[in-house]
Amino acid sequence: AQSVTQPDIHITVSEGASLELRCNYSYGATPYLFWYVQSPGQGLQLLLKYFSGDTLVQGIKGFEAEFKRSQSSFNLRKPSVHWSDAAEYFCAVGETPNFGNEKLTFGTGTRLTIIP
Amino acid sequence: DADVTQTPRNRITKTGKRIMLECSQTKGHDRMYWYRQDPGLGLRLIYYSFDVKDINKGEISDGYSVSRQAQAKFSLSLESAIPNQTALYFCATSVRDLGPGRGAGYTFGSGTRLTVV
Repeated sequence: AQSVTQPDIHITVSEGASLELRCNYSYGATPYLFWYVQSPGQGLQLLLKYFSGDTLVQGIKGFEAEFKRSQSSFNLRKPSVHWSDAAEYFCAVGETPNFGNEKLTFGTGTRLTIIP
Repeated sequence: DADVTQTPRNRITKTGKRIMLECSQTKGHDRMYWYRQDPGLGLRLIYYSFDVKDINKGEISDGYSVSRQAQAKFSLSLESAIPNQTALYFCATSVRDLGPGRGAGYTFGSGTRLTVV
């Protein structure tokens, strides 16, 4: 079965600084990978996704993520964070090939705090 | 209106009571899911349904049941609520994967915060 590890429970970053959130996955085949963001009191919103092809994917709100098969990683990055980026971030992997992006398995999340 | 609507938004119930959480969607998606979120545990899958006649257990289905009344409606029931079912519950939908890159991931509702006392 697939699994996702987000090793950082909580990260604090200064506004304007760069950000990298780590995600490692375990899956035998080529995974479908996702990053979601959850603002306080809200549901989860899709930031970006990777299925195949270019290993650097661009998402909404200025985020990007890089798929590294050799490291089983899909880290999320942003060059300069804004106070509004404070939220919880979830990495997820989808079963393939039979289900595609269905039946996602989520990591435990990383809470991001932004300080002035 | 939201694409995926969950009702109620908040609920406090007593141990042993039966409670139903409802989810409806206007996305036209055939796949629907129920997850629960607990601090430090992320989201865990309770049940999922790939169409009206196809319902499957997730990793933590014990103590829960579901009903897919129509393509657009997917309800989660706690037959006899217990305190460790206190959590934030999310409904999500997705469209059938039509090939690499054509899936869009999940669309989530805003969640139902359930407290069992």
